[in-house]
Amino acid sequence: GIQVEQSPPDLILQEGANSTLRCNFSDSVNNLQWFHQNPWGQLINLFYIPSGTKQNGRLSATTVATERYSLLYISSSQTTDSGVYFCAVTDSSYKLIFGSGTRLLVRP
Amino acid sequence: DAGVTQSPTHLIKTRGQQVTLRCSPISGHKSVSWYQQVLGQGPQFIFQYYEKEERGRGNFPDRFSARQFPNYSSELNVNALLLGDSALYLCASTGGRSSGNTIYFGEGSWLTVV
Repeated sequence: GIQVEQSPPDLILQEGANSTLRCNFSDSVNNLQWFHQNPWGQLINLFYIPSGTKQNGRLSATTVATERYSLLYISSSQTTDSGVYFCAVTDSSYKLIFGSGTRLLVRP
Repeated sequence: DAGVTQSPTHLIKTRGQQVTLRCSPISGHKSVSWYQQVLGQGPQFIFQYYEKEERGRGNFPDRFSARQFPNYSSELNVNALLLGDSALYLCASTGGRSSGNTIYFGEGSWLTVV
């Protein structure tokens, strides 16, 4: 099956810093989504981005499907950005396959 | 509009017992999926239902079962609970006209088996 790898596994930032999270996947996928999981467990959909680039405020994402990777950019990080960021892809069976996540801590 | 709603939010069960978790999708969404998330890991796919039919099943034992009702709500049942079933159980819905392939998750049900 499809393998999804995320890096780095852990990241500590000072408030205001920028960061890039990476997601590699092993095969062609139907779509790719980025999620943020807050400390209470809620998974929030950030981007549905099977290809190309999207921006939403301080967050942006780029997926290069032909090279099987996606990047999530966080600019001017805030303490509320802390949590776990997951990349998930959908194979031909429509199930979401998640990476192991990047745990982000933004310090004030 | 209400998001994906799940109940109960927290529950504690004893080994060997059975549990039923419930999920109501976003209005207009016809597909519901269930995921198990063990502490420190990403969610793992359990089931997907679309229009009341099972569309996919993950690598989980037969103790896990689910169904979808005519109003598109869903239940996940786990029998003969094991300690290893302790996890966050997440329900997701998709398939609305405006949301397309975007998947939305509920807040989850935290299950502790003692």
